[in-house]
Amino acid sequence: AQKVTQAQTEISVVEKEDVTLDCVYETRDTTYYLFWYKQPPSGELVFLIRRNSFDEQNEISGRYSWNFQKSTSSFNFTITASQVVDSAVYFCALRGRSSGSARQLTFGSGTQLTVLP
Amino acid sequence: DTGVSQNPRHKITKRGQNVTFRCDPISEHNRLYWYRQTLGQGPEFLTYFQNEAQLEKSRLLSDRFSAERPKGSFSTLEIQRTEQGDSAMYLCASSLGRGQAGELFFGEGSRLTVL
Repeated sequence: AQKVTQAQTEISVVEKEDVTLDCVYETRDTTYYLFWYKQPPSGELVFLIRRNSFDEQNEISGRYSWNFQKSTSSFNFTITASQVVDSAVYFCALRGRSSGSARQLTFGSGTQLTVLP
Repeated sequence: DTGVSQNPRHKITKRGQNVTFRCDPISEHNRLYWYRQTLGQGPEFLTYFQNEAQLEKSRLLSDRFSAERPKGSFSTLEIQRTEQGDSAMYLCASSLGRGQAGELFFGEGSRLTVL
């Protein structure tokens, strides 16, 4: 079975603050993929990043960065110098090769980020 | 707009009625997925198509639910004899066949309210 836990239900920050969204996952697979999606109020889930289980390099894309630590089964997401437009629900997701889960994304329950002006 | 398109965006129905949602994926994508999302939760997998073949179905997909993708292009999700517990956002997504790595592109969803 696979599981993704996002313990932070809601986070509120003031614009320009840095914020880290936590994601912890469980899987028996040795090969798997981790994803982050953003869901703005319009409802459409927007893909942010994919990381495979063999690539533990951290990644930076503009104000976004991701810290993948296999040893702690975590894939955390940091937004630097947050902006009001970053306000959304952010989902961490996992996809593995196990039978029955090869095509499925298992999502966490999401973190609602509110950036105040 | 060449993204994933879903219709209708919002459907209000009475308990016991049938409803159908349509999804038009990104044209070159051969994989299509349906997910369900309830308030405050992440999306939950319902079913998956590769071209016209329905290859996976979740236990969440009761016999009142049926999905089709007749020509490997658009897909429909029908819910028969709706119940109040069916109220949710139904999300469609598509992807290219890239094994496990292909990211899913989601539509804006179809919100179902069962009164």
